Formats: sequence, C-alpha cells, structure tokens
Amino acid sequence: AQSVAQPEDQVNVAEGNPLTVKCTYSVSGNPYLFWYVQYPNRGLQFLLKYITGDNLVKGSYGFEAEFNKSQTSFHLKKPSALVSDSALYFCAVRLEGGSYIPTFGRGTSLIVHP
Amino acid sequence: EAQVTQNPRYLITVTGKKLTVTCSQNMNHEYMSWYRQDPGLGLRQIYYSMNVEVTDKGDVPEGYKVSRKEKRNFPLILESPSPNQTSLYFCASTSFGQGENGNTIYFGEGSWLTVV
Repeated sequence: AQSVAQPEDQVNVAEGNPLTVKCTYSVSGNPYLFWYVQYPNRGLQFLLKYITGDNLVKGSYGFEAEFNKSQTSFHLKKPSALVSDSALYFCAVRLEGGSYIPTFGRGTSLIVHP
Repeated sequence: EAQVTQNPRYLITVTGKKLTVTCSQNMNHEYMSWYRQDPGLGLRQIYYSMNVEVTDKGDVPEGYKVSRKEKRNFPLILESPSPNQTSLYFCASTSFGQGENGNTIYFGEGSWLTVV
C-alpha cells in the first residue's frame, strides 16, 4: 500500500520569506515522488519529481524539494515566496515498479501575504 | 503541444439525465484516469485505464462508467447523475517510460459539474 500525508491544510508566509510545504509518504519500496500546483479554476500543473539520483530536485518557478529517505519526506521549498505562488499544492507518490497508480495527498493551500 | 482536453468545462444538469464528459490526450499515453476534487477531500480517483480496453475502478467508482476504445480517448459517463456527483472533475494521463517526461501526470483543465 502507498499513502501520502500533507499535515498542513494551509500555510501562510510573507512575501520574500522562505516557504516550506510538507509531505511525508509511505510505500513498501522505492518511491517516485511528485509535486503539483493548482491555481484557482485551473487544472493541476506539474512542478517537479524525484525518480532517482540527486536527493535535491529543482523544478518550475524556483521551487525545489528534497527527498529524505530516512524521514520518508519530500518537502517542497522556495527561498523567497511571491504573492503569485499562492495556490493549492499536491504531493503524490507511487511505488517504483508497482501498479503505476499514484496516490495524492489532500493538498495544502499556500497563502503568500504581500 | 502536450495536452489533455476535456469537455464540457462547465455543465449544469438535472438529476437522472445521462451525461458524458469527454477526455482526449495527444501524447500517446498508456495510462489515463479520472479524478473528482471536493473541498476537504482532495483528489479521489474514480476510474483508471492502463491501456486500450483495460479499465479498473478507483476509490470512488459508484455512479460512473468509463470506456477506453481508443488510446487517446477516455470518456466519463454518468448514467443517472445525482446531486452528490456535483464536483470538479479532472482527466489525467501519463506514460511509464524512462524519458524526461516519463511518469509525469498531465491533467486537463477540469470540468465543473452541477447536478440539480
């Protein structure tokens, strides 16, 4: 079985400050991990993924995430938040070589205040 | 341009009136899926398809049907819609290859469905 937890329903941060959106996962093997962003009235857009290799993954719009196997985490980070980063963020996981079906977290609403 | 296209984007219908939401992808992806998104519940998978003529139930399949007669199309059918199916629906597709875009899920823009 595989699961994803996004422990915060909402994250508030001031513009210019660093941001972190948390994600922890559970799989019975090697994970493939993903972050997606959803802007209001839009579909989900791919931000970044970890498949293998370097634990620090860089993605779109200045976002990055670090795969931490010992803590089973894949937190999304950005050094300096923008108001335009305000959106709903989803973490997803699937098992390498598994059923190919990803499991999504419930989403975290990021609000960046001017 | 890589795209997942779903129609209609917005629909208000009445209870019991059959409707179909179409989904088409132009990336030759094997895997396609339907999700519904509801406040506080995140994304829940309705049905998925691993390839042509191969479909399976997701987490919330009741009240829905799908078909996969062609690789590019994966319509979602509500035979007798009810108000509890009022939701935002997303179609998605992906490939399982090892290339740069392998395993990346592409989503449609969403279909807002209201059943009254």
